[in-house]
Amino acid sequence: AQKVTQAQTEISVVEKEDVTLDCVYETRDTTYYLFWYKQPPSGELVFLIRRNSFDEQNEISGRYSWNFQKSTSSFNFTITASQVVDSAVYFCALSEERSWGKLQFGAGTQVVVTP
Amino acid sequence: DTAVSQTPKYLVTQMGNDKSIKCEQNLGHDTMYWYKQDSKKFLKIMFSYNNKELIINETVPNRFSPKSPDKAHLNLHINSLELGDSAVYFCASSQGSGYTGELFFGEGSRLTVL
Repeated sequence: AQKVTQAQTEISVVEKEDVTLDCVYETRDTTYYLFWYKQPPSGELVFLIRRNSFDEQNEISGRYSWNFQKSTSSFNFTITASQVVDSAVYFCALSEERSWGKLQFGAGTQVVVTP
Repeated sequence: DTAVSQTPKYLVTQMGNDKSIKCEQNLGHDTMYWYKQDSKKFLKIMFSYNNKELIINETVPNRFSPKSPDKAHLNLHINSLELGDSAVYFCASSQGSGYTGELFFGEGSRLTVL
């Protein structure tokens, strides 16, 4: 069963609009980590953020912000004032304590930012 | 200096052939991984090695055989290639189990089987 669900397959926005990517996860572990990775058109996977299950503080890094809510098992990602360079596939991933680094990825959300 | 490097970046071959993809990391990590990204961009782990010991072996056809000569290298050999093996293969590394930290990915090796 899919443990990480990214229901949005593609989101298209015009530059400067905000875009929020949804991520819902499923785990029975009390200790786990959540990640977001970016895959630009060039194909590499770029780490964006890691959050552990005990830290529900939201985080902001420049134009990026993350909202972690254990009550709804969600770890959403917002890009504020989007730019063309934000066009990429964004993956949410889950790592469980018992899984020895096995990252379970969501299906990804393609973000298209047009000028 | 590239942290995790894979060779080749592109590989086009015929069905039935055997091919290898090599991966090296210079980060001093002790755990390495192979992930497969299919045509729909779905990423799935295949194998993980910690200090040359196989830790994770997902349900992968036994035509796929990883080999870790030392903790800085993890190669992937594929026998009798099939059309469905066409994908991008990513190597990654981490320190320790990778459970708590980020994985460092290589640039990927795009395999096309004709």
